[in-house]
Amino acid sequence: ETGVTQTPRHLVMGMTNKKSLKCEQHLGHNAMYWYKQSAKKPLELMFVYNFKEQTENNSVPSRFSPECPNSSHLFLHLHTLQPEDSALYLCASSQGQGVGDTQYFGPGTRLTVL
Amino acid sequence: GQQVMQIPQYQHVQEGEDFTTYCNSSTTLSNIQWYKQRPGGHPVFLIQLVKSGEVKKQKRLTFQFGEAKKNSSLHITATQTTDVGTYFCAAPGMDSSYKLIFGSGTRLLVRP
Repeated sequence: ETGVTQTPRHLVMGMTNKKSLKCEQHLGHNAMYWYKQSAKKPLELMFVYNFKEQTENNSVPSRFSPECPNSSHLFLHLHTLQPEDSALYLCASSQGQGVGDTQYFGPGTRLTVL
Repeated sequence: GQQVMQIPQYQHVQEGEDFTTYCNSSTTLSNIQWYKQRPGGHPVFLIQLVKSGEVKKQKRLTFQFGEAKKNSSLHITATQTTDVGTYFCAAPGMDSSYKLIFGSGTRLLVRP
């Protein structure tokens, strides 16, 4: 158990649906991350938050909308997704200080877009 | 932007054979980390190397950081089926921030 939880673990949605992924960390970290992992492009960094402020958006389409209400919670709001968005979405957290923090990953949400 | 190149992409070995994955950067790294992701699982931190030429061991796993701090390797002696998974190296970006740049990973398959 890494102290990072994600819900749901599996999600199937249509292209017109709106859903949200949730991540919670119990490690007292300040930085949280969303990654997309697919067979074609393993571990693509999507968003980074540090002390609740977004510090990175890696040219992610606007159909993905992150939200970080506090340092322990991170959401990824999904709407009008495409089938190519089907992937494993991983959340991670780290101290948010120093050089090259060790990251702790949650179990991921396996998303299928029909 | 900075990239961390990892090879090979895949390695299929017979149980008992050795395995090595390599990680290379064009720039000097302040540190390098290794992660393992089991099939169906998520990346899990294994180790961090900081010093030039550093070698660390975890049972059958040996991690090395190059003298120039631009490359690293992970060597597994006498692989077992429990070693199956994808091994990622990761290093700080050129901005030397807390964020990591992950390599593309090496997927290890072990034939029993």
